[in-house]
Amino acid sequence: DTEVTQTPKHLVMGMTNKKSLKCEQHMGHRAMYWYKQKAKKPPELMFVYSYEKLSINESVPSRFSPECPNSSLLNLHLHALQPEDSALYLCASSQASGGRGEQFFGPGTRLTVL
Amino acid sequence: GEDVEQSLFLSVREGDSSVINCTYTDSSSTYLYWYKQEPGAGLQLLTYIFSNMDMKQDQRLTVLLNKKDKHLSLRIADTQTGDSAIYFCADIGGKLIFGQGTTLQVKP
Repeated sequence: DTEVTQTPKHLVMGMTNKKSLKCEQHMGHRAMYWYKQKAKKPPELMFVYSYEKLSINESVPSRFSPECPNSSLLNLHLHALQPEDSALYLCASSQASGGRGEQFFGPGTRLTVL
Repeated sequence: GEDVEQSLFLSVREGDSSVINCTYTDSSSTYLYWYKQEPGAGLQLLTYIFSNMDMKQDQRLTVLLNKKDKHLSLRIADTQTGDSAIYFCADIGGKLIFGQGTTLQVKP
C-alpha cells in the first residue's frame, strides 16, 4: 500500500459545527503532516507529527486541533471555523521528519465553511 | 527565511519540451523536489534530486541542479495534454518549503 487516504473528500460546515478530517497511511511512515492550501497557492504547513508526537505547530489557531491516535492515523478536529478557513486540507506522510525523505500527499479534503 | 521562487505560467504546444525553472535560497538544502498538482487533486511527487547531483533523468523528466546559482529546472520532453497541471518545486530544509507553483498549459 503506497498511498495516503483522506476522508471525507468534501465537507461543508457551518461556523458553529464540530467536524473532523481523517488521514490514514499504511507505509510505515513515522511522520505525518497537515497542510492548508488555498486556490492557486502552494500548500502551507500547519502541523507535523513525528513518532505520534506533535513536533511542529505553525502558529495555527486553536479552532484547529490535531490528533495522532497511532502511527497510521492522523485527525484534524475542527470547531468554530471561519469562512476564510475554507480551503483544501492536505495530509502527507514521510518516513521521518527533520528534512529526510520525500513526503507523499493524500488527495485532500475540500472544506467549505458557511 | 528560506524562499523558493518560480515563474507563474508556461504555455507550450503538444509535443514540444517544457522547461520549468525554480530558484531557492537555502544553501543547506539536501533534497529538492518536483510535485505535480492536477485540478482538484492532491500533490503527486514527480521526482527529486539530491543536492550533490547535477542532473537526474527519469523517462520524459530531466531535472537539472545548479547548486552554485541555487537554480533548479524540470524539463518535460514531448509534453502531452495530460501534463497540464501546476508544478511546485520544493526544498527540504527542516520542513518542506514550496515555490508558488507554475501553471503549465499544453495546447493541442
